[in-house]
Amino acid sequence: DTEVTQTPKHLVMGMTNKKSLKCEQHMGHRAMYWYKQKAKKPPELMFVYSYEKLSINESVPSRFSPECPNSSLLNLHLHALQPEDSALYLCASSSQASGNTIYFGEGSWLTVV
Amino acid sequence: GEDVEQSLFLSVREGDSSVINCTYTDSSSTYLYWYKQEPGAGLQLLTYIFSNMDMKQDQRLTVLLNKKDKHLSLRIADTQTGDSAIYFCAESSSYNQGGKLIFGQGTELSVKP
Repeated sequence: DTEVTQTPKHLVMGMTNKKSLKCEQHMGHRAMYWYKQKAKKPPELMFVYSYEKLSINESVPSRFSPECPNSSLLNLHLHALQPEDSALYLCASSSQASGNTIYFGEGSWLTVV
Repeated sequence: GEDVEQSLFLSVREGDSSVINCTYTDSSSTYLYWYKQEPGAGLQLLTYIFSNMDMKQDQRLTVLLNKKDKHLSLRIADTQTGDSAIYFCAESSSYNQGGKLIFGQGTELSVKP
C-alpha cells in the first residue's frame, strides 16, 4: 500500500481566510513533504519534515505554516494568501529524507479569490 | 547546480512505442524517477532506477540509464490513449539535503487514435 491521502481535494478561500490542508500516510514513512505545482509545471519543494522535525524550508512566505503533529500526519496552515498562491498543493512521503523513493498524494487544488 | 532537462512535447499513434528522454547533470544522483501526471491528478510514481543499474523493465515500461552521458529514457510499448499525460523525470541524491527531488520540465505525451 503506497498511499498518501490529502484533504480537501478542492478548496476556495478568500484572502482574509484561515484554512488548512491535511495529509496522511500509513506506510511508516519518516519523511514528509509539501510541494506546490502550477499548471503544466514541475512541482516546487516547499517544506521537508524528517522524523517530525522541519528540516527544509525553501524560503516559503510565512503565510504558509507547516505542522507535523505525528509521524503519519502533515498539515499546511494557510492565512492571508494571495491570488498567485492558487495552485495544486502536493503532499509526499518517503521512508527517510535521503535518497529514498518518494510517493505523492493526489493533491489539493487551492483557489484564492 | 543540479539540472534535469526533457523535451516538452511528444506525439505518437496508438499502438506505437513512445520514448521520452531526459538528461541530468548531478553525478551523485542516487535514484532516477519517472512520474506520470494525468490532467487534474497528482503525481503517480511509474518507475524508478538506482544509479548502479543500466536497465529496468516493468510490463510495458523500459527504463534505460546511460551514466556516462547522464541520459535516462522511458520507453512505453504499445502506447494507448490512456497513456496521454505529462511525464516528469526526476533525480535525487543521497547527498541532497533532505532527499530533494530535482524535476525536469515534463514531457507532454499525446497519443492519437
